[in-house]
Amino acid sequence: ELKVEQNPLFLSMQEGKNYTIYCNYSTTSDRLYWYRQDPGKSLESLFVLLSNGAVKQEGRLMASLDTKARLSTLHITAAVHDLSATYFCAVDKEGATNKLIFGTGTLLAVQP
Amino acid sequence: DVKVTQSSRYLVKRTGEKVFLECVQDMDHENMFWYRQDPGLGLRLIYFSYDVKMKEKGDIPEGYSVSREKKERFSLILESASTNQTSMYLCASSLTSSRPKGAFFGQGTRLTVV
Repeated sequence: ELKVEQNPLFLSMQEGKNYTIYCNYSTTSDRLYWYRQDPGKSLESLFVLLSNGAVKQEGRLMASLDTKARLSTLHITAAVHDLSATYFCAVDKEGATNKLIFGTGTLLAVQP
Repeated sequence: DVKVTQSSRYLVKRTGEKVFLECVQDMDHENMFWYRQDPGLGLRLIYFSYDVKMKEKGDIPEGYSVSREKKERFSLILESASTNQTSMYLCASSLTSSRPKGAFFGQGTRLTVV
């Protein structure tokens, strides 16, 4: 059974600090997705990582993928309040067409 | 832009009622999904459909069924609602050919069963 684990579940950080969210998954997959969810809103796609060693960056967020370690990271640089949200990683379930399995999510609160 | 629309933002139903949650997408996507979201558990896949009239169970199908009679519409049915089905329900859709883009989500339906 495919399992996706994120940590931490909750992250409170100060503006200007750096931090990393980790996403581990239990079976082979070379497609990993990061989504953002604002309170009361739906999920918005942030990054799609398609191959081992893939790195994508947008603004203060950078995502990377290590398929051998079955690990993806979402790095936050110099956090600002606008980044406060819940972040989810998801992977394709092996052998299934875009059947996404999600992690538990990380609630990020950036304090002034 | 892809649009995935769920028929209700909020629903309150009584225990034992039959409940229909509707989802419509306007971009001719083959794949459609229903997830439920609960605090601390992330999103869990209930059912998905990869074509009209085709469906496959997700990780938590018990107590639910689905219907996909037309490509653009995917319905989630709670045969006899129970209080443990109180949750946020999210519908999503995706194109098989552009799989790397992942799934697009609707705005969610918050269902309360009393």
